[in-house]
Amino acid sequence: TQLLEQSPQFLSIQEGENLTVYCNSSSVFSSLQWYRQEPGEGPVLLVTVVTGGEVKKLKRLTFQFGDARKDSSLHITAAQTGDTGLYLCAGVPFYTGANSKLTFGKGITLSVRP
Amino acid sequence: SQTIHQWPATLVQPVGSPLSLECTVEGTSNPNLYWYRQAAGRGLQLLFYSVGIGQISSEVPQNLSASRPQDRQFILSSKKLLLSDSGFYLCAWSPGPRGNQPQHFGDGTRLSIL
Repeated sequence: TQLLEQSPQFLSIQEGENLTVYCNSSSVFSSLQWYRQEPGEGPVLLVTVVTGGEVKKLKRLTFQFGDARKDSSLHITAAQTGDTGLYLCAGVPFYTGANSKLTFGKGITLSVRP
Repeated sequence: SQTIHQWPATLVQPVGSPLSLECTVEGTSNPNLYWYRQAAGRGLQLLFYSVGIGQISSEVPQNLSASRPQDRQFILSSKKLLLSDSGFYLCAWSPGPRGNQPQHFGDGTRLSIL
């Protein structure tokens, strides 16, 4: 059983469209992190959300942490080809404690067509 | 600022040959260090992590081993490579000692076994 479920698994959209992707769990997390990975490179941290209901913006990317801290969403406005990549969410379940390792979702492959 | 170096970027090895991948971190002390393997375009499988010199935890039984001879050096090894060892290997670090901190990744090594 995957602790963090990401959906959809694959998404292909036209440049300029908006999209929302999700990271869901049945467990409570003290925080969740989002990474983006481009082909042939390592993942790069985009944001960490910590407080239930928190919204963070990174240019055209909006990240939200669920009120119950069990899920998170990523909304991209007016997608660009540079947004193409694998989006990973990661976190440590609250019940395991801060010294436990991050667990990663399987990722969402986003392709933005010109 | 902190940097992470991982090499080589690409490696082609015959079945049965040995392996040594190296990862070094600069600009920080006592980091947590990680080795991951990633299937094409998908999530990360944690192979090993280390919270200090000589301290290695293995997450999955396999043909690989890891060592941490110095505080900021992490090595992934194998005595005899298998075809199934092919993949994209990523090294990462996070501030110690807590495991829930964001991780910072190297650019990865693409390993092909012939």
